[in-house]
Amino acid sequence: KAGVTQTPRYLIKTRGQQVTLSCSPISGHRSVSWYQQTPGQGLQFLFEYFSETQRNKGNFPGRFSGRQFSNSRSEMNVSTLELGDSALYLCASSLNSPDSATTGGVFFGSGTQLSVL
Amino acid sequence: GEDVEQSLFLSVREGDSSVINCTYTDSSSTYLYWYKQEPGAGLQLLTYIFSNMDMKQDQRLTVLLNKKDKHLSLRIADTQTGDSAIYFCAETDTGRRALTFGSGTRLQVQP
Repeated sequence: KAGVTQTPRYLIKTRGQQVTLSCSPISGHRSVSWYQQTPGQGLQFLFEYFSETQRNKGNFPGRFSGRQFSNSRSEMNVSTLELGDSALYLCASSLNSPDSATTGGVFFGSGTQLSVL
Repeated sequence: GEDVEQSLFLSVREGDSSVINCTYTDSSSTYLYWYKQEPGAGLQLLTYIFSNMDMKQDQRLTVLLNKKDKHLSLRIADTQTGDSAIYFCAETDTGRRALTFGSGTRLQVQP
C-alpha cells in the first residue's frame, strides 16, 4: 500500500509569489491534515480536511489556504510569500479524524521543503 | 492551551535501552503518538496509545502512559545506530482534529 505522497519535494520561490503544494493520502484515508515545521517554531498545525470540508484551522494568516478534492487528495496554497514561510510542509492522512477512536494512526508524507528567497 | 514537553537530547551506547520522556498538560488528552524523524525526511509513525491504556509493546518499542502525572515514555530496547534520529511525542483530544507536538528529543547512539 502506497504511503502519503507529497509533491514537489523541494520548491524555491521569491517573496510575493504564491505556491501550491499537493498531497495524496493513503488509499481509503479520508482525513488530510497539514503541518508546518520550522527550526524555531517546531511542528504547527495548519488545517484538517475530511470529505472536502475544512473542520479545523490552526493559527495562521489567511494567506494560507487549502482544499480537499472528492478523491481525498489535498492541496495547500500560500499566497504573497514571506521569508518566514520557509519551512518543511508536512501532510498527514488517517482513516478518520486524528482524534477518532477509529483513526488507525496518523501517517505523514516526506514533506515539501519550501525556501523563500 | 495544550502543551507537550520533551527533553532536547539523549545519548546512549549501542545495545543499551533508550528511554525518551514526554509530559503533556491537557488532562483530556485521549490519543498519544510517537514519531521518528531522520534528517531530511518526514515523520515516521512508531506507535500510538489510547488514554485508556497503560502500556503498549511493539517489538523493541514499549510505551508507558501515566495519566495521573500526564507522563508518556518510549523505551527502545537494544538501541542501534539506525535509531539515531529525532523523536516526537504528540497528543490530541476528541474534537480537536489536530496533533500537538513536543519539540522533539534528539537521540544519539554511540557505537
